[in-house]
Amino acid sequence: EPEVTQTPSHQVTQMGQEVILRCVPISNHLYFYWYRQILGQKVEFLVSFYNNEISEKSEIFDDQFSVERPDGSNFTLKIRSTKLEDSAMYFCATHGTVGYEQYFGPGTRLTVT
Amino acid sequence: QQQVKQSPQSLIVQKGGISIINCAYENTAFDYFPWYQQFPGKGPALLIAIRPDVSEKKEGRFTISFNKSAKQFSLHIMDSQPGDSATYFCAATYSGTYKYIFGTGTRLKVLA
Repeated sequence: EPEVTQTPSHQVTQMGQEVILRCVPISNHLYFYWYRQILGQKVEFLVSFYNNEISEKSEIFDDQFSVERPDGSNFTLKIRSTKLEDSAMYFCATHGTVGYEQYFGPGTRLTVT
Repeated sequence: QQQVKQSPQSLIVQKGGISIINCAYENTAFDYFPWYQQFPGKGPALLIAIRPDVSEKKEGRFTISFNKSAKQFSLHIMDSQPGDSATYFCAATYSGTYKYIFGTGTRLKVLA
């Protein structure tokens, strides 16, 4: 069964450093999302991406965040200058052109020290 | 208006019992309501979903009940098993956005 993959599984970085989280969506899916989950809390929407541009973003997704699909397969989330409060699990999700079902990757645990 | 309220926060059920988790929403534009199951350290996995044109959907031991007038929906897990112990999230979305609004999650523990 096709699945969403994410790398790395765990990233530790120092405050102020840039990080790039990577996702490989399911191959025929065209809608891509990033969500985050602070430990013990609910999953929160960050951004949606379709047709090589951002469709929607939350107020969490400020100027420190960016997304791109650099090579037609990977989908990346970049945090330019990490803060302590960026520590969370980041999930990539994708869905196809039919239906609303989103398929989540296993997540990247980001720890900012 | 974009919130989805979920209860209870945690739930303990005996093996073989019925687990019931409830969600409520305000935005009447929502037209798709999935439930996700999440094990520790893993991503949410789609369990079952419903649209508002039906009042109930069943898949195996999992049933969603939907009450459009009350703007509530619930997940019932019949014959609960220790392997069902996980965190369950309800969510909602609508066409034009597709972003999911998640509930706060319910940590279910099924005792053997």
